[in-house]
Amino acid sequence: DGGITQSPKYLFRKEGQNVTLSCEQNLNHDAMYWYRQDPGQGLRLIYYSQIVNDFQKGDIAEGYSVSREKKESFPLTVTSAQKNPTAFYLCASSPRAGGTDTQYFGPGTRLTVL
Amino acid sequence: GIQVEQSPPDLILQEGANSTLRCNFSDSVNNLQWFHQNPWGQLINLFYIPSGTKQNGRLSATTVATERYSLLYISSSQTTDSGVYFCAVEGLWNFNKFYFGSGTKLNVKP
Repeated sequence: DGGITQSPKYLFRKEGQNVTLSCEQNLNHDAMYWYRQDPGQGLRLIYYSQIVNDFQKGDIAEGYSVSREKKESFPLTVTSAQKNPTAFYLCASSPRAGGTDTQYFGPGTRLTVL
Repeated sequence: GIQVEQSPPDLILQEGANSTLRCNFSDSVNNLQWFHQNPWGQLINLFYIPSGTKQNGRLSATTVATERYSLLYISSSQTTDSGVYFCAVEGLWNFNKFYFGSGTKLNVKP
């Protein structure tokens, strides 16, 4: 089946630990995105990538890092520098870089810091 | 960034009723999308509609780009329409950078 997969579905982390969230797509899409959603809020853009080996910061990139070594993969690392990481994290992709396209979302990862 | 305001924030409907959700945005946009988020958190794209009108079954959307707003119409609502509806926009000069509204939470009662 074509689509976007995220793993794990639930993730628990102790304070001070880095964790990496996985995002994979088999849609052959060029652009990929990471968003954060807090309870009762909309989505906020963390990072986006328009092409392999290139990515741009969104509005809330501090405390996060990404890589785009393969077209189909865009992992997000939540570092210990992120002061309030408990949230719902959503990955998305769209066919082409440069706008005018629909975004498709994965099922999300719920991260809880203990 | 672009400010996106959605109204109303909460909406309760009886099954079979119609509703209109509104999205106002503060700048010219290249892309506007409507999404539905189900109770499990999955976002589904409803419309890509930077301008004009589109219809898909009981749902339709209209964007008036010159006046910086978009409307989502839901007719003959069903309980499965419950969830949160988001509007997202991409500015004219900043491709791939999307801004989401805070959403409209819809509860359709049987």
